[in-house]
Amino acid sequence: DTEVTQTPKHLVMGMTNKKSLKCEQHMGHRAMYWYKQKAKKPPELMFVYSYEKLSINESVPSRFSPECPNSSLLNLHLHALQPEDSALYLCASSQDLGTGGEKLFFGSGTQLSVL
Amino acid sequence: SQQGEEDPQALSIQEGENATMNCSYKTSINNLQWYRQNSGRGLVHLILIRSNEREKHSGRLRVTLDTSKKSSSLLITASRAADTASYFCAIRTGGFKTIFGAGTRLFVKA
Repeated sequence: DTEVTQTPKHLVMGMTNKKSLKCEQHMGHRAMYWYKQKAKKPPELMFVYSYEKLSINESVPSRFSPECPNSSLLNLHLHALQPEDSALYLCASSQDLGTGGEKLFFGSGTQLSVL
Repeated sequence: SQQGEEDPQALSIQEGENATMNCSYKTSINNLQWYRQNSGRGLVHLILIRSNEREKHSGRLRVTLDTSKKSSSLLITASRAADTASYFCAIRTGGFKTIFGAGTRLFVKA
């Protein structure tokens, strides 16, 4: 199984809503990532988890709250988002953060619209 | 920004022609990777070249790396309509971050 599964595929939410994005992988990878991608732009790194611990937070606003409950799962909790947060949110995983883990495996993303 | 520019931003070619995309970067790197993204989908890893390598091949893909010029190129030979996608280079920094370039949108006409 070389898949990273993201749910939901599409999400529409109001600025007062609370929602969560989910990501799952069963490749035994120990590093997981959240990226944000606006239309016609490259993915921008948000968070990196290594062995279920947050390793990198790219100064992301606190309205985005990541969680890694176990080595297979990664969540992104959303609260009080702004319309400019509308984007494709991509989850990725890699073997680890070492030399063997440079290759990233991506999910298909969650297309988020904030109204 | 740790990442530079990719050029061209967009490329339109006929099926069967070769497509060349270039990537420049600003920092020291451990490796450089190329990824492909079909519209609105996730990225797929294509090829990785390490900083001590100059050229690498994988099927119809050829990647070169010039660390003195901080640049890389991706050549897709004998392109097909199915190669239509966005192509991103990505660098892995010493801080374990994988940072993506601006990307080249390739359109292959059948």
